[in-house]
Amino acid sequence: AQSVSQHNHHVILSEAASLELGCNYSYGGTVNLFWYVQYPGQHLQLLLKYFSGDPLVKGIKGFEAEFIKSKFSFNLRKPSVQWSDTAEYFCAVNAGDKIIFGKGTRLHILP
Amino acid sequence: SQTIHQWPATLVQPVGSPLSLECTVEGTSNPNLYWYRQAAGRGLQLLFYSVGIGQISSEVPQNLSASRPQDRQFILSSKKLLLSDSGFYLCAWSVRWGVGTGELFFGEGSRLTVL
Repeated sequence: AQSVSQHNHHVILSEAASLELGCNYSYGGTVNLFWYVQYPGQHLQLLLKYFSGDPLVKGIKGFEAEFIKSKFSFNLRKPSVQWSDTAEYFCAVNAGDKIIFGKGTRLHILP
Repeated sequence: SQTIHQWPATLVQPVGSPLSLECTVEGTSNPNLYWYRQAAGRGLQLLFYSVGIGQISSEVPQNLSASRPQDRQFILSSKKLLLSDSGFYLCAWSVRWGVGTGELFFGEGSRLTVL
């Protein structure tokens, strides 16, 4: 069955630290990949997406993600985090008509 | 532009009572439609999805059901609620074909408390 794994459930970083959140998926076909963010008390919003082409995609607020097909991974990165990046981050995969989410990573940035 | 409406926003229901959550999409045709349940630490659990009128795929066996009586209408139902049905339910839509497939647009959500 298709699945999405986010390895880090809770991450705590200081401001200006670099961030990498892992995401691996299980699906043998063509995929579209997404990262969504949910800030405290707010609804989900799209952070970035990959459909095809350059496997390194850039999103809003300085985030980027790299699709590595051979590793079935789509890790999220940011070179220098800010306190305002405190949020929950969800990786999602479009496997056929299904869109499956990981369980999320809570990111807490210390000022 | 496309919009998605979901209601009710909150509801409190006794165990054993029925449930109906409704979602409608405007400004697009032939969307894929989805129902998710969001719980802390569990991400978004896909409950049902639909690629067309009357076509429902269930991901999680439980006492919930879904229906799509019209192209842009998606309903989540239960005949008898359980305590474990409490949670935050999200409706979402996606383009069915071509560019943008898989990018989800969410409703405001429905907070269900079963007592």
